[in-house]
Order: sequence, then C-alpha cells, then structure tokens
Amino acid sequence: GAVVSQHPSWVICKSGTSVKIECRSLDFQATTMFWYRQFPKQSLMLMATSNEGSKATYEQGVEKDKFLINHASLTLSTLTVTSAHPEDSSFYICSARALAKQETQYFGPGTRLLVL
Amino acid sequence: GNSVTQMEGPVTLSEEAFLTINCTYTATGYPSLFWYVQYPGEGLQLLLKATKADDKGSNKGFEATYRKETTSFHLEKGSVQVSDSAVYFCALSDRAGGTSYGKLTFGQGTILTVHP
Repeated sequence: GAVVSQHPSWVICKSGTSVKIECRSLDFQATTMFWYRQFPKQSLMLMATSNEGSKATYEQGVEKDKFLINHASLTLSTLTVTSAHPEDSSFYICSARALAKQETQYFGPGTRLLVL
Repeated sequence: GNSVTQMEGPVTLSEEAFLTINCTYTATGYPSLFWYVQYPGEGLQLLLKATKADDKGSNKGFEATYRKETTSFHLEKGSVQVSDSAVYFCALSDRAGGTSYGKLTFGQGTILTVHP
C-alpha cells in the first residue's frame, strides 16, 4: 500500500515552454501533497505544500507564478513549470500524506526535467 | 528552526561490514524521525520511522532508536549487502500544527557504497 506515482518520469523540453508533472496517490486519499526539488548529489528542497481544494503554500524563494500547483482531488496534484529555462532543469519529487497517517509522507519516483 | 545533520559521506564498506550513519537534530517540540533511502535514479522510500522518545524503528535489517537526551537517530545495520548501496536521508517531521504540520526537514544525505 501507500503507492505514489509520477508522470512523466522523464521530460525534455525547449526553453520557454511549459511542462506539467502529475503526482497521484494510487491506493489512498492524500489530503496533503508536497513538491520537492533535488539538485544533483544534494538533499531535497521543499518547494510547496498543497492541500486538496485550496491554494498551495510556497516556501520562501519559490516563485508561485513559475511553479503552478493544483491539487484538485484527493488523489492528484500537478506541478506546472511555466516558461521553463535551463536553470529549471532538475529532479522533481512529490510526496503525499494520508489523512489517517499524518506523520508519514510517501514519495513518488520523481520526474527528471531537462530544459534545452 | 528545525535542522537535521548527518555524518558526511561517502561511506564505503565491504559486504557484511557493520554500518552506522549518524544523525542529530534540532527541533522545537516533539518531532517524528525518519530514515529514507534513495536508490540511483529513483525517488525516496521510507526505510523506518520513530514517533516518540526511545522508540526503535526497524526494517530490512536496519534500525534506529529515537534518543531524545542526545537528540539523535543513528542508523545501524549489522551486515550490509551490495544491494544496500544508496543515499540515506535522515529527516524529521514537525508536529507544530497548522500549515507547518508534517513538513519534512531533511539532512544532507549520506552516500553508501558497499563492495563485494
């Protein structure tokens, strides 16, 4: 149980385009989802926290107009990188927290974004 | 604020050697503590957790004990295998409530390489 999927796993796009990444909780309802960014050989940096049906809470220094987060249902959250640039290339990881187990986050496999 | 400090890696061991990865934390209140493992090219997997002082989390031969007096949560395994090669992250979850509830603070990660 507690499986989280991400799609796509890999994406390459041209500079200036937008990319949408999906995060789904497959076998539980996720009231809260988190989006992280991981640079090579570094730890995870929390970008934002999203609660189903409400606006995401962004961490300091994260541009909310660039990284659009939508959490429209209890099993799906999306991260859209708008007008992507090469510096947005990174590994993006989502996690989900179930209502019944609020102290534990379950992570997706990650999405590697390369902006050319 | 909250912080997690892990021993610096990389750690290189021979198969069947004893493993210790140190982790200490600073937090207000009573956080939950976690170890996550990240295999190459993948997202994070929950390895074990402990939610209160003196709790011992264990999984796949790994264990860690929540030591409130020393604010530590060291990861140990008696006999490592080549398949244990991965990056290990220590993390804590804030229990402060509100929007900060459940936010994970990660250590910098420790790369473990196990040779046959």
